[in-house]
Amino acid sequence: SQELEQSPQSLIVQEGKNLTINCTSSKTLYGLYWYKQKYGEGLIFLMMLQKGGEEKSHEKITAKLDEKKQQSSLHITASQPSHAGIYLCGAVTTGNQFYFGTGTSLTVIP
Amino acid sequence: EPEVTQTPSHQVTQMGQEVILRCVPISNHLYFYWYRQILGQKVEFLVSFYNNEISEKSEIFDDQFSVERPDGSNFTLKIRSTKLEDSAMYFCASSAIKGSQPQHFGDGTRLSIL
Repeated sequence: SQELEQSPQSLIVQEGKNLTINCTSSKTLYGLYWYKQKYGEGLIFLMMLQKGGEEKSHEKITAKLDEKKQQSSLHITASQPSHAGIYLCGAVTTGNQFYFGTGTSLTVIP
Repeated sequence: EPEVTQTPSHQVTQMGQEVILRCVPISNHLYFYWYRQILGQKVEFLVSFYNNEISEKSEIFDDQFSVERPDGSNFTLKIRSTKLEDSAMYFCASSAIKGSQPQHFGDGTRLSIL
């Protein structure tokens, strides 16, 4: 089965600091999605990456896809308390099923 | 902005009882999905639905589960005889484009089985 490992599992940063979350797939990626989940709430779509080398940004969040490494990274610049939550990567497998990663819990200390 | 809505937000049910979780996808979307998240664990795919039939389902989606689109707006997940391990957060999602993975999720229904 598709495994999407995220690292780190949890992250605590001071407000204003930059941070990076990684998502590594055990199998070939056919597109990679990033979501954010506030504790106990639904999933918010952040961005979708479909091509190797693709990079997308939304406000202070940038995501890149490295198809060769089967990896994606999510970078937050100048973190704010509003960035706190659980970040999930998701990807499609060859069986056309959608899997989520293991999640990264982000806490931003004011 | 249109959103996926789920009801109820929290459902408490006795083990062995049937439960129906309801979702109203975004109105022009054609592809619908259910996921679940057991507390502290990953979000897991259950089933996808298009054109009034199941397109994909995971191993979790066994005979006790069923989905239905009873009218033009609702999309339901039924669990026939609930077990303790069915306790989880259940998320509905929808998308507009074929082959596009879900981008719009509901806020979830927390199902607690006693």
